[in-house]
Amino acid sequence: DAKTTQPTSMDCAEGRAANLPCNHSTISGNEYVYWYRQIHSQGPQYIIHGLKNNETNEMASLIITEDRKSSTLILPHATLRDTAVYYCIVRVKGTGGFKTIFGAGTRLFVKA
Amino acid sequence: SAVISQKPSRDICQRGTSLTIQCQVDSQVTMMFWYRQQPGQSLTLIATANQGSEATYESGFVIDKFPISRPNLTFSTLTVSNMSPEDSSIYLCSVEWAWESGANVLTFGAGSRLTVL
Repeated sequence: DAKTTQPTSMDCAEGRAANLPCNHSTISGNEYVYWYRQIHSQGPQYIIHGLKNNETNEMASLIITEDRKSSTLILPHATLRDTAVYYCIVRVKGTGGFKTIFGAGTRLFVKA
Repeated sequence: SAVISQKPSRDICQRGTSLTIQCQVDSQVTMMFWYRQQPGQSLTLIATANQGSEATYESGFVIDKFPISRPNLTFSTLTVSNMSPEDSSIYLCSVEWAWESGANVLTFGAGSRLTVL
């Protein structure tokens, strides 16, 4: 099972910041938080990851709380093309090693 | 990151037949994964395929139904055997990259959309 919980869906106005929350209360000290997104009919795309510090790249920013039990993905100026399902992931340890298990994600609708 | 090519991109198959999906990576990778995405659903991990060893299947998936080959570090196949309409899904190949920081990031192929009649 996925180790994260996210809201099912969110709306955002075009040009505004989209803030997508994620809870990962069972995360352990050395586990990363990863974010991916899936635009309709495409394979998932990596966005960003973080461990303890806030991270920023050309796509987004990731804010991780001090206790690491939750995080927020920020798309600073959402565009219509950012409409997608966003997945927050903490990898799961299995018999064959760590694996990436996808939850339901958050469906973000960016509206004009 | 790697570039992943999947074939076929889509296919329409008859009930009871089998189809093999190919995944080609442009560089050598250790960890490859196969996922299924049923209509309107999230991704479900089918199995982990490491070169030189048997694939490790997730609960609910068995080798007889989804045999996997991993002959080298750049290629893998997934076969969907004895297909039924319930197997209509997008099947996705992915590879994992280890970053210097210790993180492990996935890159996905575009997927193979199967429709079983």
